[in-house]
Amino acid sequence: AQSVTQPDIHITVSEGASLELRCNYSYGATPYLFWYVQSPGQGLQLLLKYFSGDTLVQGIKGFEAEFKRSQSSFNLRKPSVHWSDAAEYFCAVGDITGGGNKLTFGTGTQLKVEL
Amino acid sequence: GAGVSQSPRYKVAKRGQDVALRCDPISGHVSLFWYQQALGQGPEFLTYFQNEAQLDKSGLPSDRFFAERPEGSVSTLKIQRTQQEDSAVYLCASSPAGDNEQFFGPGTRLTVL
Repeated sequence: AQSVTQPDIHITVSEGASLELRCNYSYGATPYLFWYVQSPGQGLQLLLKYFSGDTLVQGIKGFEAEFKRSQSSFNLRKPSVHWSDAAEYFCAVGDITGGGNKLTFGTGTQLKVEL
Repeated sequence: GAGVSQSPRYKVAKRGQDVALRCDPISGHVSLFWYQQALGQGPEFLTYFQNEAQLDKSGLPSDRFFAERPEGSVSTLKIQRTQQEDSAVYLCASSPAGDNEQFFGPGTRLTVL
């Protein structure tokens, strides 16, 4: 069965600093990978996704992620964090073998931005 | 256009009560998913519909949980004889045919006392 590990439960960065959120996955085939952001009281918003092709994926709000098959990783990065980026971030792997796209999520990383 | 909507947004139930949670997916979306998100955790898959057919219910934690989508649009997640461990946010997501991106609703926060 697939699994996702987000080793950092909490991360604090200063506004304007760079950010990297780690994600490691376990999946038997080529994975479908996603990063979602969740603000308090809000649903999950998709930041970016990787299905195939270029391993560096650009997303919304200036985020990017790099798929590294050899490391089973899909880390999320942003060059300069804004205070509005404070939220919880979830990495997920998709399983399409059942016909749909059943997502398995990590436990999330809570990002705090210091002004 | 309108996104995925869920109602109620908040539900408080006494232990043993039955509850019904509603999901209105984006119009025309073929696939519909339910997830359960416990406090401090990531969402966990419950069940998946393609149109009106429930193709995967492997994540439903017990036979007290039941989901339906009779006309292939609105879906209802029903929990019978609620227990305290059922307290969580229940998220619904939908996606169009041939697309692996899921669009999530705001969730229903269920508290069982």
